[in-house]
Amino acid sequence: GQNIDQPTEMTATEGAIVQINCTYQTSGFNGLFWYQQHAGEAPTFLSYNVLDGLEEKGRFSSFLSRSKGYSYLLLKELQMKDSASYLCAELNDYKLSFGAGTTVTVRA
Amino acid sequence: EAQVTQNPRYLITVTGKKLTVTCSQNMNHEYMSWYRQDPGLGLRQIYYSMNVEVTDKGDVPEGYKVSRKEKRNFPLILESPSPNQTSLYFCASRRSSYNSPLHFGNGTRLTVT
Repeated sequence: GQNIDQPTEMTATEGAIVQINCTYQTSGFNGLFWYQQHAGEAPTFLSYNVLDGLEEKGRFSSFLSRSKGYSYLLLKELQMKDSASYLCAELNDYKLSFGAGTTVTVRA
Repeated sequence: EAQVTQNPRYLITVTGKKLTVTCSQNMNHEYMSWYRQDPGLGLRQIYYSMNVEVTDKGDVPEGYKVSRKEKRNFPLILESPSPNQTSLYFCASRRSSYNSPLHFGNGTRLTVT
């Protein structure tokens, strides 16, 4: 919804790094969330960015460029348990809209 | 434990038979919302509530009703379910601040035949 674009699928090897990109519309922007969702489970909150730059939380980092309407989620030192769908969600005019999600598969 | 509880987890029903999916949160959150999740479409908002007795339509409200008589509960009602309402449904809550993260229930997988 709301022109939020993220890749459908990504595959990476255990121990590697994966970057999930997300683009969104810039007018009315109030913030950008990332959620993780394991198959058949509820989404869980990973990060929130409202200012430009990189925010690091352990193995996961999230980056925002407001002028470009672009964010990415960086997953480092990938583990098998990181296999999940990652949802980008934009807060726009105080309404939250989700992208379709990126399914990340981690292979041994 | 802080949580959002929705029931049932799985529901199979027939077209036209009224059903209710319950949602309850114990975090004293003002804001509650219902989403449906379909492959390739992501999470789409059905209805939301900013507080008790205040509800509003989301992006896909047709065929659904909600009520918010108490702060903790936010049931989703399908008066006359149809097969196109077969989906995975999530209830979520958050504090009143717009940048507060959503807390999701475990989901209800509904099949309408």
